[in-house]
Amino acid sequence: AQTVTQSQPEMSVQEAETVTLSCTYDTSESNYYLFWYKQPPSRQMILVIRQEAYKQQNATENRFSVNFQKAAKSFSLKISDSQLGDTAMYFCAFYNAGGTSYGKLTFGQGTILTVHP
Amino acid sequence: NAGVTQTPKFQVLKTGQSMTLQCAQDMNHNSMYWYRQDPGMGLRLIYYSASEGTTDKGEVPNGYNVSRLNKREFSLRLESAAPSQTSVYFCASKQGSGANVLTFGAGSRLTVL
Repeated sequence: AQTVTQSQPEMSVQEAETVTLSCTYDTSESNYYLFWYKQPPSRQMILVIRQEAYKQQNATENRFSVNFQKAAKSFSLKISDSQLGDTAMYFCAFYNAGGTSYGKLTFGQGTILTVHP
Repeated sequence: NAGVTQTPKFQVLKTGQSMTLQCAQDMNHNSMYWYRQDPGMGLRLIYYSASEGTTDKGEVPNGYNVSRLNKREFSLRLESAAPSQTSVYFCASKQGSGANVLTFGAGSRLTVL
């Protein structure tokens, strides 16, 4: 079974600055995907970024990028030029792409990010 | 496109009452899921349905039942609600076993007194 750990319950950052959210995972699988989801106060789960484990290049989506360290089983999210609208709960999630996993995403505990003006 | 629609959005129950959370998706997705979200625990999988006609237990199935009524609809039933089932419930769907991105509904907040 996979486990996903987010060790930072809460983080805060000033508007326009950069913040990094941490995530570690534990798995014996080799074929998997990692995700960051954002949950604003509206409660809607929004996909922020996705990383395929077989790709060495770190994924990037505009101001959001990841630092994927496969050997260390670490998957951190960097938010550049933070905006007030980035205030949300952020979840790291693991998907096992091997075998009959059927999209059973395993989530971390979440990190509440507050962006201050 | 509505995506994934959950009803109701809010519900208050008394211990022992029953209720059903409804979920429907209009994206022709094969797989559907029910998660619960609790503070400090992230989202945990209750049940899932890989395709129409099949359902399987997830991480926390006790106290719940599900029905995959057709390809579009996947309901979650609490037969005898308990305070421990107070939570926010999310329905999600995805295209099939080869896909890996889930689309979530807006969530249903359930309080059991």
